[in-house]
Amino acid sequence: GAVVSQHPSWVICKSGTSVKIECRSLDFQATTMFWYRQFPKQSLMLMATSNEGSKATYEQGVEKDKFLINHASLTLSTLTVTSAHPEDSSFYICSAEDSSTPTDTQYFGPGTRLTVL
Amino acid sequence: EDKVVQSPLSLVVHEGDTVTLNCSYEVTNFRSLLWYKQEKKAPTFLFMLTSSGIEKKSGRLSSILDKKELFSILNITATQTGDSAIYLCAVGAGGTSYGKLTFGQGTILTVHP
Repeated sequence: GAVVSQHPSWVICKSGTSVKIECRSLDFQATTMFWYRQFPKQSLMLMATSNEGSKATYEQGVEKDKFLINHASLTLSTLTVTSAHPEDSSFYICSAEDSSTPTDTQYFGPGTRLTVL
Repeated sequence: EDKVVQSPLSLVVHEGDTVTLNCSYEVTNFRSLLWYKQEKKAPTFLFMLTSSGIEKKSGRLSSILDKKELFSILNITATQTGDSAIYLCAVGAGGTSYGKLTFGQGTILTVHP
């Protein structure tokens, strides 16, 4: 089946630093990937839609200058949390859609736990 | 604004019980409804439903969609402790790109031995 990886799986950083999270589709191509944020025991909150070769589309209330998204190839999207602060601590999950068969079925990465001290 | 509501928000049962999880939605130009199971990390795909009245089954899990009443149910029979997880319902709607889903709040299921 379709596999999506994320790296790193967890990261601890100091306040004010930037953190980059990678999302890769391993055995399929994805022109569109999605980035979510999840708080403990809560549902997924969509942050942005990452489009290969073009700008990301951000959901209302999500700061695009703080959460930089780059979708440089058909298998890789990156999320950079710039000048991270403790309130950015969360679980970040990406998902990808197989471009060869467009449906709503999303394949999720294992997530990245970010802790900002 | 598209809206997906799940109930109950949490549920505690004993092994062997049967549970029914609910998902109702209000969206424009419905396209599909999906169920995911999330344990500690990534949500794993369970079902995608697009047609009313056609039950999808996978082992002890089954799901059905009612497009007239705008809801879906997920049934789990003979529950096991391994079924403990957050169950997420999501809807894809027209006017958005494929894969852009609106998620419900999730149902936290706890199965005790």
